[in-house]
Amino acid sequence: GAGVSQSPSNKVTEKGKDVELRCDPISGHTALYWYRQRLGQGLEFLIYFQGNSAPDKSGLPSDRFSAERTGESVSTLTIQRTQQEDSAVYLCASSSQPASYQETQYFGPGTRLLVL
Amino acid sequence: KQEVTQIPAALSVPEGENLVLNCSFTDSAIYNLQWFRQDPGKGLTSLLLIQSSQREQTSGRLNASLDKSSGRSTLYIAASQPGDSATYLCAVRYNKLIFGAGTRLAVHP
Repeated sequence: GAGVSQSPSNKVTEKGKDVELRCDPISGHTALYWYRQRLGQGLEFLIYFQGNSAPDKSGLPSDRFSAERTGESVSTLTIQRTQQEDSAVYLCASSSQPASYQETQYFGPGTRLLVL
Repeated sequence: KQEVTQIPAALSVPEGENLVLNCSFTDSAIYNLQWFRQDPGKGLTSLLLIQSSQREQTSGRLNASLDKSSGRSTLYIAASQPGDSATYLCAVRYNKLIFGAGTRLAVHP
């Protein structure tokens, strides 16, 4: 595709429900990243995929958060038993040159999650 | 701990002004530093990327400098326009990207 796409663009859920967020990276990009951005704050790294393996998942805040990737394609971020503090914008990025001095990450528009 | 700080948090200027956004980082062992623009409801757009061996990069009215030894970068915007209004994020590359909280810029006609 032309760029990184994410769905849904907005999600409102009740506390305790599970949510799934989807990311479609740029075709051919081997690396995929998930970030969280709370209101008024910078982006927090959550997890990095190289292909369908996740060599760095150090940013996942708790065991309620998990992510999967199918090959070098779509990724889903799942949040179980959502809490109000999970409310944030979740951004996905992909790149073709991971761990390189030249790497540029291309970002999707994000999913705005609100937990009531 | 690797931290990135941006000053000011917000800035409002009249159209036509030249302005400077600041970014500082605590660990100077960086691979590169990147400036992004973030518009509401949209993703991040990369503006400039400076490698650790470089001192500055320029693109149109934007100029970014890097002083690795002092842990600082500045983004200079010349002749600001209302279309420049956005949040500007500084991100430093270690083994992962570490982002600052951003500077919200408003340029009014």
